[in-house]
Amino acid sequence: EPEVTQTPSHQVTQMGQEVILRCVPISNHLYFYWYRQILGQKVEFLVSFYNNEISEKSEIFDDQFSVERPDGSNFTLKIRSTKLEDSAMYFCATRSLHTEAFFGQGTRLTVV
Amino acid sequence: KQEVTQIPAALSVPEGENLVLNCSFTDSAIYNLQWFRQDPGKGLTSLLLIQSSQREQTSGRLNASLDKSSGRSTLYIAASQPGDSATYLCAAWGSSNTGKLIFGQGTTLQVKP
Repeated sequence: EPEVTQTPSHQVTQMGQEVILRCVPISNHLYFYWYRQILGQKVEFLVSFYNNEISEKSEIFDDQFSVERPDGSNFTLKIRSTKLEDSAMYFCATRSLHTEAFFGQGTRLTVV
Repeated sequence: KQEVTQIPAALSVPEGENLVLNCSFTDSAIYNLQWFRQDPGKGLTSLLLIQSSQREQTSGRLNASLDKSSGRSTLYIAASQPGDSATYLCAAWGSSNTGKLIFGQGTTLQVKP
């Protein structure tokens, strides 16, 4: 069964460093998303991406964050100058036009 | 602004019992509604998607219903098993084409053998 693949599964970084979280979407999917879940809290929407551009972003997704599809397959989330409060599980999700959203297993980001 | 609420926050039942998880949303103009399962420290596994034109969906022992007018969805689990123990999340799709999901806080289910 096709699946969304995220790497790394766990990333520890020092405060102020930049991190890149990677996602390989399901091959025929057109819509891509990043969500995050701070420990014990709700899953929160960060950004949606379609046709090589951001289609919607939340208030959380400020200038510290960026997304891109550098090679037409991988979908990445870059977090610049990480803060302690960026520690969370980050999920990539993808879907095609009329299907459900499929989520990856997540990247646990720990900022120390 | 769409808000999604799930009740109860936690539920413990003996094996074999049928149970219902509840999800409510504030904006009835949702596009779709999706139910997920999340095991501790893991990702989200999609269980059922109910499109806006549908009233229910079934998969195995799971049945999900959607009543847009009342702003409610339920997930019915028949003959619960210990392996069903997990957190169940409902998520409302926004009415826009972006399809972003707004999640509830989840119901943590424990099925005791």
